[in-house]
Amino acid sequence: DGGITQSPKYLFRKEGQNVTLSCEQNLNHDAMYWYRQDPGQGLRLIYYSQIVNDFQKGDIAEGYSVSREKKESFPLTVTSAQKNPTAFYLCASSSLVAALSTDTQYFGPGTRLTVL
Amino acid sequence: GQQVMQIPQYQHVQEGEDFTTYCNSSTTLSNIQWYKQRPGGHPVFLIQLVKSGEVKKQKRLTFQFGEAKKNSSLHITATQTTDVGTYFCAGSHRLGQNFVFGPGTRLSVLP
Repeated sequence: DGGITQSPKYLFRKEGQNVTLSCEQNLNHDAMYWYRQDPGQGLRLIYYSQIVNDFQKGDIAEGYSVSREKKESFPLTVTSAQKNPTAFYLCASSSLVAALSTDTQYFGPGTRLTVL
Repeated sequence: GQQVMQIPQYQHVQEGEDFTTYCNSSTTLSNIQWYKQRPGGHPVFLIQLVKSGEVKKQKRLTFQFGEAKKNSSLHITATQTTDVGTYFCAGSHRLGQNFVFGPGTRLSVLP
């Protein structure tokens, strides 16, 4: 059963704590992405990775960090430096490198993070 | 910066009525994608348009890409309750750049 998984679905953290969101895909996709979605708004790109051990900042990377040690995994850490971390976080992957800008992105189910 | 805008923000229709959402870019797009997000769900790819003036159809959905490649539209004929959700366009302004998502149009269909 192929796809993208994100866990957990809901996550609560206290202010000032770092938290790591997981994203795993078994689609053999090269590119992976992290987006943030706020209520009533579109998706904003946080980070993306086209290949293992390499990643690039998106439009709103401040306060976030990522790693890409394996092709299948692209975890996102929301650090205490992120001023408004409460949001819906979506991970996506695509089969071609992002530079071609032509490939479909497949999204995971998302993690809803609430910082108290 | 480069922006992708969508109108309307919300649309309420009676079941059976038509629906259209419009996507506009401040600069020329190399290609555009459309996604649908059901309430509580994640975006799901619908279609991609690449050519100037391109029109594609998927059953009751018709997608258009403007001649100048700065705008696009999604039209749904005879809406059904299963069409409920938020429709996003996502544009790429040139090769080598990631897609920029519009804010979406939230569609409600009253039975």
